[in-house]
Amino acid sequence: NAGVTQTPKFQVLKTGQSMTLQCAQDMNHNSMYWYRQDPGMGLRLIYYSASEGTTDKGEVPNGYNVSRLNKREFSLRLESAAPSQTSVYFCASSETGFATYGYTFGSGTRLTVV
Amino acid sequence: GENVGLHLPTLSVQEGDNSIINCAYSNSASDYFIWYKQESGKGPQFIIDIRSNMDKRQGQRVTVLLNKTVKHLSLQIAATQPGDSAVYFCAENLYTGTASKLTFGTGTRLQVTL
Repeated sequence: NAGVTQTPKFQVLKTGQSMTLQCAQDMNHNSMYWYRQDPGMGLRLIYYSASEGTTDKGEVPNGYNVSRLNKREFSLRLESAAPSQTSVYFCASSETGFATYGYTFGSGTRLTVV
Repeated sequence: GENVGLHLPTLSVQEGDNSIINCAYSNSASDYFIWYKQESGKGPQFIIDIRSNMDKRQGQRVTVLLNKTVKHLSLQIAATQPGDSAVYFCAENLYTGTASKLTFGTGTRLQVTL
């Protein structure tokens, strides 16, 4: 089925550990995004990639890095995890530059940092 | 910075009644608005969208109204069903010229009672 695939679905990290969240889309979308969602809150943009080869900071980029590996894949890396990064992370993709049809979201990665 | 907010955090409606979920936005430059539905443990799912040059758009059982004068957005669900129970987010889109950036509200939980 076409869509956005995120791995892993669940992860527990110790403070200071690093990890990479993977995201892939098969809809040939140019733009990809990483959001985090905290309890009782909306989604906040971490980083986005308007097109292959470009990345830009969103609202809450501190503590994260991203890589747009190719058109399909956009990864999010936590170099030194902190408890404040406990959250649900969503990857999304959209048509070129303008969300004509809205974003398509993955099912999320639930990350706990202890 | 400017943000999107919601008037009601929780809305309870009886099955078969109509639901109205409200949203306030503050960025007058936003050109596109989207309503998402998020069920427990899943990513946001696109429901309906509306461009800033429109004031009403209808879908299947859903209608979105946009009042730019007071910067207000609403989602109307007709004949609410138990399957409509979820958290609903409004989001405003700002096209930067290279990418679209969505800003989400905090969400309204819709509870459908039998």
